[in-house]
Amino acid sequence: AQSVTQLGSHVSVSEGALVLLRCNYSSSVPPYLFWYVQYPNQGLQLLLKYTTGATLVKGINGFEAEFKKSETSFHLTKPSAHMSDAAEYFCAVSDGSGAGSYQLTFGKGTKLSVIP
Amino acid sequence: GAGVSQSPSNKVTEKGKDVELRCDPISGHTALYWYRQSLGQGLEFLIYFQGNSAPDKSGLPSDRFSAERTGGSVSTLTIQRTQQEDSAVYLCASSLRQSSYEQYFGPGTRLTVT
Repeated sequence: AQSVTQLGSHVSVSEGALVLLRCNYSSSVPPYLFWYVQYPNQGLQLLLKYTTGATLVKGINGFEAEFKKSETSFHLTKPSAHMSDAAEYFCAVSDGSGAGSYQLTFGKGTKLSVIP
Repeated sequence: GAGVSQSPSNKVTEKGKDVELRCDPISGHTALYWYRQSLGQGLEFLIYFQGNSAPDKSGLPSDRFSAERTGGSVSTLTIQRTQQEDSAVYLCASSLRQSSYEQYFGPGTRLTVT
């Protein structure tokens, strides 16, 4: 079984400051890892993904994440927060072990607020 | 190109009534997923389709929930005898093939059971 833990249901940062959203996962097989963003009253948009290969993954809007197998972590970072980054962020894992399904298992989400 | 579309965007229904939620995936995407997003439970997987078959229904919370997919395209999620705890946002996602890593989500249907 797979699971995801996101530390901090709510994170506030000042505009221009570093954004760090934490995600730890558990999986019985090598996982695929994702970060999604959700703006109010909208669906989920894929920010970035890790499948195989390079452990530092770059995504859209200046976000990146690093897969650390030894720490079972996949933290999301952005060097400088922008007001438009205010949204809810979800970390997700998929390991293809659900009857061949690549269903996503999500964390509880972290709501990011950006203070001007 | 067109993304995943869902209808209706909002649905208010009385307890005990049946509802149908529709998902139109991205053209050519063979895999389709339904998820539910609620305040108490977060985002939960409901059911997965590969083509018209549903090899993984493990997330359906009760036998009041069912889903079908026809022509390898449009999918309908049906909730019978709705209960207040069914109130949630129902999200649909599609991906190019079974093992495709990227799932593209629709805007969701917000269901309110009164």
